Amino acid sequence: AQRVTQPEKLLSVFKGAPVELKCNYSYSGSPELFWYVQYSRQRLQLLLRHISRESIKGFTADLNKGETSFHLKKPFAQEEDSAMYYCALSPNFGNEKLTFGTGTRLTIIP
Amino acid sequence: EPEVTQTPSHQVTQMGQEVILRCVPISNHLYFYWYRQILGQKVEFLVSFYNNEISEKSEIFDDQFSVERPDGSNFTLKIRSTKLEDSAMYFCASSEQINTEAFFGQGTRLTVV
Repeated sequence: AQRVTQPEKLLSVFKGAPVELKCNYSYSGSPELFWYVQYSRQRLQLLLRHISRESIKGFTADLNKGETSFHLKKPFAQEEDSAMYYCALSPNFGNEKLTFGTGTRLTIIP
Repeated sequence: EPEVTQTPSHQVTQMGQEVILRCVPISNHLYFYWYRQILGQKVEFLVSFYNNEISEKSEIFDDQFSVERPDGSNFTLKIRSTKLEDSAMYFCASSEQINTEAFFGQGTRLTVV
């Protein structure tokens, strides 16, 4: 069975400080990992996925198969980064059967 | 910018009643999905739909649930006889291909009383 764990429900970081949102997964095969973000009163949207290896809005995430982790990082937090962040796993490199974590609410303190 | 649109934004229904949640996916998208999030819990996959058929479904998607694309634009989720535990936020999503970005709607909050 696949599982995604985000250990922090809430995370507060000062503006300009580094951000790291943790995500660990459990899956026997080779999954695809995603980060989704939901800003206040907006819809869920894709932030990044590991196969594209892009940096979006200054965020990066590296898939560590040994530690089964996909932590989201940004070197310098900005106030507009305040949002709910969800890590998600797909077993088949698609959008079907995405398994989401419980989410981390990130608050950037001015 | 094209968006996935869901109606209504909030639906209150009595236990045992049928409810239909509606979605208008982005027009050139071929894959459609329903997810739900019970308050305080994870977003959970319900079903995916392609070429007028269900392509995948989860254990949650039992006989009480059905999906339909009744015309060229709408994609609906029907719950035949709602239970209290069906209360949740239901999200529709669509994507051009199975492995391209899925765009989510703003959700329908279903409250079963």
